[in-house]
Amino acid sequence: AQSVTQLDSQVPVFEEAPVELRCNYSSSVSVYLFWYVQYPNQGLQLLLKYLSGSTLVKGINGFEAEFNKSQTSFHLRKPSVHISDTAEYFCAVSETNTGFQKLVFGTGTRLLVSP
Amino acid sequence: DADVTQTPRNRITKTGKRIMLECSQTKGHDRMYWYRQDPGLGLRLIYYSFDVKDINKGEISDGYSVSRQAQAKFSLSLESAIPNQTALYFCATSPGGTGVEKLFFGSGTQLSVL
Repeated sequence: AQSVTQLDSQVPVFEEAPVELRCNYSSSVSVYLFWYVQYPNQGLQLLLKYLSGSTLVKGINGFEAEFNKSQTSFHLRKPSVHISDTAEYFCAVSETNTGFQKLVFGTGTRLLVSP
Repeated sequence: DADVTQTPRNRITKTGKRIMLECSQTKGHDRMYWYRQDPGLGLRLIYYSFDVKDINKGEISDGYSVSRQAQAKFSLSLESAIPNQTALYFCATSPGGTGVEKLFFGSGTQLSVL
C-alpha cells in the first residue's frame, strides 16, 4: 500500500522568501501525486497534481512541484511567498493500478509566512 | 453558495450520544466521501460512496455508519460517540468515471465529544 511522508510539520518563512515543502512517498507501483492546500477554517482545495509527462508541474497561486521518481519525492516550491500563503499543505498519493484511486494523505505541513 | 455544504459547522456532544453529520452537494458528482482530520495525522478516509446503492468502508470505519439518501446527500453517523472521535470531519465529492479523482471538500464539521 502507498504511503506519504511530510517530514516538516511546520515551516516558518518571511514574506517574499522562497519556500520548499517536502513530500516523499512509498509505493510498489506507479503513482499519481497531489498537493492540496487548506486555508484557515476552510476545506482542502487542489493546488496541483502530477499524473504523467513533464516532471515539473505548475499549480495555482505560483506554486510548482517536481516529481522525482528515483528519490520518490514530490516537493512543493514557491519562489516568493505572500502572507496569504499561510495555510496547511497536504501531499497525497494514489496508485495507478487500482480501479478506485484512493487518495492517501500525508500529515500536513503548516506554512507560516510572517512580514 | 458553497458547492459542498456540511452541517453543522461545530458540534459539542457527550459520550454515548448519537450524532449525525450531514453533507449535501450541488456539483452533480456521483462520488462522495467522509474523512476525519486529526492534528499530526492528516486526513483519513472513513467511508465512501460511488452512488446511492454503493457504500464502502474506508480505513477507519469502526464506530461510524453512513447513509446515502440521494445523489446529493451523504450523512455520517456516530451511533454512540466517544471522546477519541473528537476531530474535524470533512465531506468531499468527486465526479467519478475514469481518470484521476479530484476531490472537492466542504468546510468541515468540528466535533467535540466530552
